[in-house]
Amino acid sequence: NAGVTQTPKFQVLKTGQSMTLQCAQDMNHNSMYWYRQDPGMGLRLIYYSASEGTTDKGEVPNGYNVSRLNKREFSLRLESAAPSQTSVYFCASSREGGATGELFFGEGSRLTVL
Amino acid sequence: SQQGEEDPQALSIQEGENATMNCSYKTSINNLQWYRQNSGRGLVHLILIRSNEREKHSGRLRVTLDTSKKSSSLLITASRAADTASYFCATDHQGAQKLVFGQGTRLTINP
Repeated sequence: NAGVTQTPKFQVLKTGQSMTLQCAQDMNHNSMYWYRQDPGMGLRLIYYSASEGTTDKGEVPNGYNVSRLNKREFSLRLESAAPSQTSVYFCASSREGGATGELFFGEGSRLTVL
Repeated sequence: SQQGEEDPQALSIQEGENATMNCSYKTSINNLQWYRQNSGRGLVHLILIRSNEREKHSGRLRVTLDTSKKSSSLLITASRAADTASYFCATDHQGAQKLVFGQGTRLTINP
């Protein structure tokens, strides 16, 4: 069982370039999340999808867009990357809608914007 | 803003000792969760405690929750080198659909 798979694991971008982080889960979970992790800041929620076909903003959505492509996949897009978006990005999923259950995390995507 | 705040930010103890980490939060919650993150890896769920529970155990882990003080503690007994990691608490807001994480406690177990 792969769990939550994120690609790519590492990426270097120049300011203004665009890219999409891919996330897929094979646990038939309803909810999916994108977090970013910065030193000393813990994890901050960017966007989440409580169920297939819905997406909502989290704490720090500016500069990002998301697509819940189907129940398995939830992608995060940076349209015009900025150095402030240098971070480690984590995708997570949970079986229950809402925040009542355990989150399963991917291994992270490390993004550097020059 | 962060809902949960862990204390201390860093903790270093000898192998075999007990480690205690604390988490405080600001608003009413339905549940509180603890996660572990090894260096360079994703977070792994440790334990969930609901607002109507006061204490929960899982192996060498003991979690307490005091809703009147809006605080929780995670105790790891008989620590091992493999327990070296960062530990995060995460809380929901009642009725909200997302978890909010604290900044974490970095635990180092010295052999």
